[in-house]
Amino acid sequence: SQQGEEDPQALSIQEGENATMNCSYKTSINNLQWYRQNSGRGLVHLILIRSNEREKHSGRLRVTLDTSKKSSSLLITASRAADTASYFCATESGGTSYGKLTFGQGTILTVHP
Amino acid sequence: KAGVTQTPRYLIKTRGQQVTLSCSPISGHRSVSWYQQTPGQGLQFLFEYFSETQRNKGNFPGRFSGRQFSNSRSEMNVSTLELGDSALYLCASSLGVRLEQYFGPGTRLTVT
Repeated sequence: SQQGEEDPQALSIQEGENATMNCSYKTSINNLQWYRQNSGRGLVHLILIRSNEREKHSGRLRVTLDTSKKSSSLLITASRAADTASYFCATESGGTSYGKLTFGQGTILTVHP
Repeated sequence: KAGVTQTPRYLIKTRGQQVTLSCSPISGHRSVSWYQQTPGQGLQFLFEYFSETQRNKGNFPGRFSGRQFSNSRSEMNVSTLELGDSALYLCASSLGVRLEQYFGPGTRLTVT
């Protein structure tokens, strides 16, 4: 079963614009991760943010986490056509949930040149 | 370092047959997780192995099984294939718990 939802389901923007994707989840987590997937291929890890962190940056990516609202957002600044892909958030719980990521349904991002 | 590799990349099987998929993790990674991705259900966790032991299992029927070898390579097996097993099967490796997972390109299984 899916952990939560991503919003929007699809996003279409022009090159150079910023893209923001949101993710909500249902249960307490140890960390939240964002992944990118191009055309049904493997997933590429983008960034991991732990439950005790509020914000993290990596290059043009900025991720925020609000554990009180059980939500996260991914901001891609100055988007490029190459950023066109599906983006997934995934949560990892604590305890004995070894190696299990629970994914959202994803946001399809299209960046027009 | 070489990334996660999966073989074969594409597979076509008939209902009732069985299939074995292989995954070689990044060198030094001892944790291997498997996921199934379908348009309807999205990405779903199958199981995780660490040092040849299955530590976690998702909500899939017993037809889905796996194993891990001493060199950390992993295989998953699906017996008595059903049409609904058609999916992209992804494996991911990690250095340990609560760390990033690195995914392979996947095996696309089509059951006819």
